[in-house]
Amino acid sequence: NAGVTQTPKFQVLKTGQSMTLQCAQDMNHNSMYWYRQDPGMGLRLIYYSASEGTTDKGEVPNGYNVSRLNKREFSLRLESAAPSQTSVYFCASSDAGTGSNEKLFFGSGTQLSVL
Amino acid sequence: EDQVTQSPEALRLQEGESSSLNCSYTVSGLRGLFWYRQDPGKGPEFLFTLYSAGEEKEKERLKATLTKKESFLHITAPKPEDSATYLCAVRTNYGGSQGNLIFGKGTKLSVKP
Repeated sequence: NAGVTQTPKFQVLKTGQSMTLQCAQDMNHNSMYWYRQDPGMGLRLIYYSASEGTTDKGEVPNGYNVSRLNKREFSLRLESAAPSQTSVYFCASSDAGTGSNEKLFFGSGTQLSVL
Repeated sequence: EDQVTQSPEALRLQEGESSSLNCSYTVSGLRGLFWYRQDPGKGPEFLFTLYSAGEEKEKERLKATLTKKESFLHITAPKPEDSATYLCAVRTNYGGSQGNLIFGKGTKLSVKP
């Protein structure tokens, strides 16, 4: 069972470069999320997608764009990376909206450094 | 302002020494409280969901409880493999169809043999 798969695991960018973080889930979940985790702070929601074809901003969306390519895949794009975007990024999925199945399943994360 | 505060930030225990982790919250409408475990270099892993005051959930050496203002994660006779960061998250009733999920900063637990 792969669950939620993120690529790449590590990435170093220069300021101004662009990149896309990929995420795929094989649990047939409707909802997918992108979070960032910084030292001394809780996980913060960047964007989420409640269902295929929809995306919504979370708490910290500035500097990011997302694409819900299909039910399985949800990508996060940094158009012009900044040092403030140095962080660990997690993709997650859930069957939100189905009552008790609100738990999130997380990928293993992407450690991004912007120099 | 909605807040989720976890304490202590770090906890060191000897193997077999029981203790509790605290998650206090101030939100306007609670839809659910979640506990996750996070190992170094990995994503959080779901442990429990609690929905109403008085509710309790158990899994092996872990027991989660919920009151109207806080939740406790009790660890009974911990083992070194229980070492991890434990995250608490609260989902509110507002913030769109998904609600708003607010994470605490976590408690880093170390259990020494």
